[in-house]
Amino acid sequence: GAGVSQTPSNKVTEKGKYVELRCDPISGHTALYWYRQSLGQGPEFLIYFQGTGAADDSGLPNDRFFAVRPEGSVSTLKIQRTERGDSAVYLCASSPHTTGGGKNIQYFGAGTRLSVL
Amino acid sequence: DQQVKQNSPSLSVQEGRISILNCDYTNSMFDYFLWYKKYPAEGPTFLISISSIKDKNEDGRFTVFLNKSAKHLSLHIVPSQPGDSAVYFCAASDTGTYKYIFGTGTRLKVLA
Repeated sequence: GAGVSQTPSNKVTEKGKYVELRCDPISGHTALYWYRQSLGQGPEFLIYFQGTGAADDSGLPNDRFFAVRPEGSVSTLKIQRTERGDSAVYLCASSPHTTGGGKNIQYFGAGTRLSVL
Repeated sequence: DQQVKQNSPSLSVQEGRISILNCDYTNSMFDYFLWYKKYPAEGPTFLISISSIKDKNEDGRFTVFLNKSAKHLSLHIVPSQPGDSAVYFCAASDTGTYKYIFGTGTRLKVLA
């Protein structure tokens, strides 16, 4: 596909359950990012991948959150023991470069809306 | 602590008039700024950006102005069109990092 693809588009789960959210970046993009957007807020950075490795995971809120990108393309965000406060839209973005600043336009997917009941 | 602030949650403008969206930041290390537009149920779409070495960047109907001394940037849309109705996010980063810091967004409504 031409853009960043995220699945599922919606996920409803119960408190305490485990969820996986998938991101398929734009082909050829080496950098991949996860953000979380809560109601009425802007996207908040969670984690950044350069290739297969997590170069910056400083935004992950706690150890219930984990993300992988084993082959340097598709990424999965994993949330264990979900809590109601985890309810948000999880956005994935990719960019063609790994440098910051002007060459680092990030292209976003439509997001996964996670609802924890 | 909100490093990027969009103090107007909403704005309504008549079609054909100018829309001005504002953004303030606190971190003097930021050297790259972007505007994203977001429609409901879609991801943010890149609109326009500006480097801190410039004070203005123009792309068609969209112009971004940067005032570094005031730590303020603005997005001008001229003329505004009903299809511009969306939520606009301001974002900032510095060259040494990869993450964007986003504002809380401004919902623009262009009235036909």
